[in-house]
Amino acid sequence: NAGVTQTPKFQVLKTGQSMTLQCAQDMNHEYMSWYRQDPGMGLRLIHYSVGAGITDQGEVPNGYNVSRSTTEDFPLRLLSAAPSQTSVYFCASSYTRAGELFFGEGSRLTVL
Amino acid sequence: AQRVTQPEKLLSVFKGAPVELKCNYSYSGSPELFWYVQYSRQRLQLLLRHISRESIKGFTADLNKGETSFHLKKPFAQEEDSAMYYCALYITGGGNKLTFGTGTQLKVEL
Repeated sequence: NAGVTQTPKFQVLKTGQSMTLQCAQDMNHEYMSWYRQDPGMGLRLIHYSVGAGITDQGEVPNGYNVSRSTTEDFPLRLLSAAPSQTSVYFCASSYTRAGELFFGEGSRLTVL
Repeated sequence: AQRVTQPEKLLSVFKGAPVELKCNYSYSGSPELFWYVQYSRQRLQLLLRHISRESIKGFTADLNKGETSFHLKKPFAQEEDSAMYYCALYITGGGNKLTFGTGTQLKVEL
């Protein structure tokens, strides 16, 4: 059972480049979200989705874009990478609104 | 806006000693609170939630609405408890948004 799968695990970008972090879950969860983890700041919500075709902004959405065309996939796009986006990114999913979040392994992104 | 505060970045205890990881929240409604744990080289995972009122791996947490706290406790620390612990708050009507604290690194020394 794969659970939540994130790719890539590691990525180095140059300032201004764009990229997409992939997230897929095989648990048929309606709810999916993206967090970033920074030292001393915990996990901060970037974007979330309550079902296919529905997305909304979290606490730190600027510079990121998401879409949810299927229940399984929730990619996170960096439109023009900046050094401030250097972070570890986590995708998570849950079955219910306040249910247990299942996390991916994380994607470590460095922007030079 | 809702907020979760974990005042300690690092908590170091000896094996067998009691552990208390502090968590305070600010929210005027009825909160739902969680503790998540991240062991070394493992995924972040749910440890316990206040509505379950259960003990997981010897840990318990009681919601104190008067003090707006949800401290995580264990009477006797074990080496395998060393991990990063995050307190998280869910508010009704928030989609599946959880607000996380900044985390406390627990180190259990022999």
